[in-house]
Amino acid sequence: SQTIHQWPATLVQPVGSPLSLECTVEGTSNPNLYWYRQAAGRGLQLLFYSVGIGQISSEVPQNLSASRPQDRQFILSSKKLLLSDSGFYLCAWRAPPYNEQFFGPGTRLTVL
Amino acid sequence: GDSVTQMEGPVTLSEEAFLTINCTYTATGYPSLFWYVQYPGEGLQLLLKATKADDKGSNKGFEATYRKETTSFHLEKGSVQVSDSAVYFCALNAGNQFYFGTGTSLTVIP
Repeated sequence: SQTIHQWPATLVQPVGSPLSLECTVEGTSNPNLYWYRQAAGRGLQLLFYSVGIGQISSEVPQNLSASRPQDRQFILSSKKLLLSDSGFYLCAWRAPPYNEQFFGPGTRLTVL
Repeated sequence: GDSVTQMEGPVTLSEEAFLTINCTYTATGYPSLFWYVQYPGEGLQLLLKATKADDKGSNKGFEATYRKETTSFHLEKGSVQVSDSAVYFCALNAGNQFYFGTGTSLTVIP
């Protein structure tokens, strides 16, 4: 069966510090991978998605970047965090041609 | 562009009450439609789905019917339980992209 992991689960970082969030999927090959951000009490904002290794589509201009160094690994990064980067970060995968998307447990990021 | 609109919350119901959460969509082509549920501090879980017009998705007593003529996918449950308290998201899939509603918070009181 397929599983998706995210770490860390929680993170508190000072403004201006770097960020690296990792997401890995097990039990499937060549998935589509997604990063979303959910601000407190709000809906989901798609940040990046990837259909293959090294292929990244950015949906929202910001100080975040994403990379996919391996088929089942998706990394979200920042060189300098802003207060507005605080939120709940969710990674998700989809196995084409199936339509449903499956989410990881999320990372709670607080920037102080 | 494609989008999803769902009813604003929060919704508060007594246990065993009937639940409806409205969802309408705008899309070119024929998207797949989904309902997801999010419990506090957790990721989203797929609740049910429908892939074509007139399909009915169902799971755990929840149902939703894909209505192409009204571009709707309303979530219903006949008798809610305290354990159904969560945030519910309507979503559509078009190609590689997914579009989510803003979420509806449901609280069920004993």
